[in-house]
Amino acid sequence: DAKTTQPPSMDCAEGRAANLPCNHSTISGNEYVYWYRQIHSQGPQYIIHGLKNNETNEMASLIITEDRKSSTLILPHATLRDTAVYYCIVRALFGNEKLTFGTGTRLTIIP
Amino acid sequence: DSGVTQTPKHLITATGQRVTLRCSPRSGDLSVYWYQQSLDQGLQFLIQYYNGEERAKGNILERFSAQQFPDLHSELNLSSLELGDSALYFCASSSPSGTTIYNEQFFGPGTRLTVL
Repeated sequence: DAKTTQPPSMDCAEGRAANLPCNHSTISGNEYVYWYRQIHSQGPQYIIHGLKNNETNEMASLIITEDRKSSTLILPHATLRDTAVYYCIVRALFGNEKLTFGTGTRLTIIP
Repeated sequence: DSGVTQTPKHLITATGQRVTLRCSPRSGDLSVYWYQQSLDQGLQFLIQYYNGEERAKGNILERFSAQQFPDLHSELNLSSLELGDSALYFCASSSPSGTTIYNEQFFGPGTRLTVL
């Protein structure tokens, strides 16, 4: 699986959009970008994933650059409950199914 | 609530002992994964079972073993425990590849193991 690089921490004001970047310059053609988050010591929670097109669901939006070497997770209206560690993971959709977690970004939502 | 259950929530034991952690996957999920989260190593994949068979192995110590039973619940056995085995142990489950678009993993609440 390709390696990812994320900033260790970020702050965002409550109600504003939180934009979390991820670099994955060695991503290969069959690899998807997945985002998970972990709130305090709870089990990680799936957020969204994408291949090359931008994706949106009820939780977030995922913007992937045209060259697929980086992506941004957007939480449109951050709330205090979005304070968590966010993990960007690259892996193929089929085949090796394990998730390889990096150190993630600790996002703190400021009231 | 992810639909994945893990017992017990907390476990405190002594070095050298053996413990068993239990996981019940979401209804219909055939794959079960075990992950360990310690302060110095982060979240690490240990092992995956698919419909009763071992499918993938990660950084799992020889002192650790797992199995998946016919009813698809899984157990992680940790033996000859050391202080460094203190960690959160998560179980996750997913649907079979090809049956869902996302194949995302759903995580349980974890078992916090403390070895004294």
